[in-house]
Amino acid sequence: RKEVEQDPGPFNVPEGATVAFNCTYSNSASQSFFWYRQDCRKEPKLLMSVYSSGNEDGRFTAQLNRASQYISLLIRDSKLSDSATYLCVGRGYNFNKFYFGSGTKLNVKP
Amino acid sequence: GAGVSQSPSNKVTEKGKDVELRCDPISGHTALYWYRQSLGQGLEFLIYFQGNSAPDKSGLPSDRFSAERTGGSVSTLTIQRTQQEDSAVYLCASSQDGNTEAFFGQGTRLTVV
Repeated sequence: RKEVEQDPGPFNVPEGATVAFNCTYSNSASQSFFWYRQDCRKEPKLLMSVYSSGNEDGRFTAQLNRASQYISLLIRDSKLSDSATYLCVGRGYNFNKFYFGSGTKLNVKP
Repeated sequence: GAGVSQSPSNKVTEKGKDVELRCDPISGHTALYWYRQSLGQGLEFLIYFQGNSAPDKSGLPSDRFSAERTGGSVSTLTIQRTQQEDSAVYLCASSQDGNTEAFFGQGTRLTVV
């Protein structure tokens, strides 16, 4: 089993929709968590960190559920520019190593 | 700028040749990662350096792949006797020691012909 697992999608949604992604993590990737965004043929860029109490940044909300070992990303009022691949990341306790999920592809349609 | 710098940005090489890819991390970052990404695929972990600890080489796909990190800063990923399946984007990332995010370079696009 991979340390971080995501549904690859794609998620095809209309503009203005609300969409949510989940990812699950193993004990080895459970120190801290992040969501990254990767545009086609570009490097991944940090979207937001995920805090234990949950956190919001504009239209984006991240949640952590330690009991069930998953994190989520909610995008409200989707924009065409949100179309990208969203990578879930867990950081391990072993030398703070990062574990990347394989990504969830989002297509926002007009 | 002060970001992660990788060179070259593109590299075309003949099958069987050796290549060296360079990564210059953000100054002061103790952790450095190499990943590769084939077209349409996810990130594949290759190797991880953290401070003076022994590197985690568990992701290197074969003994043709090696990496060094000199003086805790610049890293070089070397691929010997390149094969066509080595064609991919090679991404480097660095992070501070502790609970902070990783920053990626723009990658080196390697094409083996």
